[in-house]
Amino acid sequence: SQTIHQWPATLVQPVGSPLSLECTVEGTSNPNLYWYRQAAGRGLQLLFYSVGIGQISSEVPQNLSASRPQDRQFILSSKKLLLSDSGFYLCAWGIREKLFFGSGTQLSVL
Amino acid sequence: AQSVTQLDSQVPVFEEAPVELRCNYSSSVSVYLFWYVQYPNQGLQLLLKYLSGSTLVKGINGFEAEFNKSQTSFHLRKPSVHISDTAEYFCAVSDSWGKLQFGAGTQVVVTP
Repeated sequence: SQTIHQWPATLVQPVGSPLSLECTVEGTSNPNLYWYRQAAGRGLQLLFYSVGIGQISSEVPQNLSASRPQDRQFILSSKKLLLSDSGFYLCAWGIREKLFFGSGTQLSVL
Repeated sequence: AQSVTQLDSQVPVFEEAPVELRCNYSSSVSVYLFWYVQYPNQGLQLLLKYLSGSTLVKGINGFEAEFNKSQTSFHLRKPSVHISDTAEYFCAVSDSWGKLQFGAGTQVVVTP
């Protein structure tokens, strides 16, 4: 069966520090991968999606970047965090309604 | 490009009363539409989906939604809510490629 792992579960970082959130998928090959951010009052916002290794599409201009160094690994990064980067970050894999979410990372930038 | 608008950020409703959550979308191509629910401290759960066929879609927990192409809407309804329906509800749209765009969410608060 397929599983998705996302870590860390919580993270507190100072403004200006770097960020790396990792997501891995097991039990499937060449999945479509997604990073979403859930901010209070703003619902789920699609940040990045990837259809294959090294193929990243960005949905919104921002302070974040994503990479896919391996087929089932998806990384969300930032060189310098901003206060506005705080939120709940969700990794997901799938297609259309068959979207499976990770357990999420609560990021607080102070 | 696609987008989804959920017109109500919060909907208070009494137990056993009906509820309707509004969702409008915009897209230049054919779309697939979804409603997800997020209960407190839990992940997202698919309520129902419209891919094609009948415009009235029935989902889990007594919810249903109607796809209206002319009004570009996909409103969610339940004839009688329970306390356990207190949650945040997200409307989402997907194109044929498959990436989902979510609305901002509607918080439903059911009181006795």
